[in-house]
Amino acid sequence: GAVVSQHPSRVICKSGTSVKIECRSLDFQATTMFWYRQFPKKSLMLMATSNEGSKATYEQGVEKDKFLINHASLTLSTLTVTSAHPEDSSFYICSGQGANNYGYTFGSGTRLTVV
Amino acid sequence: AQKITQTQPGMFVQEKEAVTLDCTYDTSDQSYGLFWYKQPSSGEMIFLIYQGSYDEQNATEGRYSLNFQKARKSANLVISASQLGDSAMYFCAMREPDSNSGYALNFGKGTSLLVTP
Repeated sequence: GAVVSQHPSRVICKSGTSVKIECRSLDFQATTMFWYRQFPKKSLMLMATSNEGSKATYEQGVEKDKFLINHASLTLSTLTVTSAHPEDSSFYICSGQGANNYGYTFGSGTRLTVV
Repeated sequence: AQKITQTQPGMFVQEKEAVTLDCTYDTSDQSYGLFWYKQPSSGEMIFLIYQGSYDEQNATEGRYSLNFQKARKSANLVISASQLGDSAMYFCAMREPDSNSGYALNFGKGTSLLVTP
């Protein structure tokens, strides 16, 4: 079945640095990638939607200059947390969707800790 | 406004028993989809079952079934013959067209299920 490979699974970074999270669709073309954030014991909150070759659409309250999303190819989407701060510590998870396909394939998630 | 409501923050069930996890939703669209996902402590999202708004029969997938009551806007998940490995967070989610996010899933707050021996 469809697989989205998400890396890294865990990352610890220093405050002020940037962290890049990658999501690769391995056996399908993800025309759309959804990026979610999840705080401990909370729900998944949609951060942004990206379509291949287009600028991402961000949800209200999500800083697009802080959470840079690139979806330059049908098999790779990246989320870069710029100038990370401790409050950015969270679980980030992507979900890929192919064209004409209403199914969702989730990555395994990235646990980010900013110290 | 919350579109997916899961009113049970935590549930207990004894092994081999059945358990129902509640989910109600709010939408004005005629075409929508309802999903249930399992999230173990590792964090991965495991797809369990899907129900389309036009599906007349309740969806079933092995030990999982979805009790779809369209008029009441509820989509409860029933897990039969619970196993210890079923202990996890369970999320109900809805797909509906949205001008901003396309067809993103909206998730409920989740229910933490603990299966006891």
